[in-house]
Amino acid sequence: SAVISQKPSRDICQRGTSLTIQCQVDSQVTMMFWYRQQPGQSLTLIATANQGSEATYESGFVIDKFPISRPNLTFSTLTVSNMSPEDSSIYLCSVEKVSGGYEQYFGPGTRLTVT
Amino acid sequence: SQQGEEDPQALSIQEGENATMNCSYKTSINNLQWYRQNSGRGLVHLILIRSNEREKHSGRLRVTLDTSKKSSSLLITASRAADTASYFCATDHSGNTPLVFGKGTRLSVIA
Repeated sequence: SAVISQKPSRDICQRGTSLTIQCQVDSQVTMMFWYRQQPGQSLTLIATANQGSEATYESGFVIDKFPISRPNLTFSTLTVSNMSPEDSSIYLCSVEKVSGGYEQYFGPGTRLTVT
Repeated sequence: SQQGEEDPQALSIQEGENATMNCSYKTSINNLQWYRQNSGRGLVHLILIRSNEREKHSGRLRVTLDTSKKSSSLLITASRAADTASYFCATDHSGNTPLVFGKGTRLSVIA
């Protein structure tokens, strides 16, 4: 398994501002992902955080809105830029570990409320 | 696009009863994983079943996979109030690809 921490655990932000969420893993991993979970909904993949290169974004998500950094194999950040109330969600990072299959483990999430 | 679809969307049972949740998917998969989420917190990995496996057990959990029907089930036996959570299935097409999640089943276990 993997131990994943996220900071902050929750935040309340004003519209128009930006928030950077940090994700730290206790071991080196190749694959790291960022997901969004809107209230009462399932998880939607935002992007794959690639170490040493630009993140790979899913349809509907763009770098200007959700810039991602991945400086090494244990750390990544996701920034939610120019926030609006529609960005109020839980943001989760996850990592992939090979253990009889490609298991994905998730951080505790960051609950963001935009007012 | 969303791959998995769980049913039922919500399930309410008495403590001690068994809970069965189903997941269907549309295209071929490499692995299928089940997760639990307590009240808006992070996801807890429960079990992974590979496409060439038909059944796996972990404690009170039993997962089956029927690739011919593109479906999986999660059985929780002798449920407890602490099992109250949302349960999600998630699939991937190959290793090193991100998961696609279903909508989840909200399980309520009443003491």
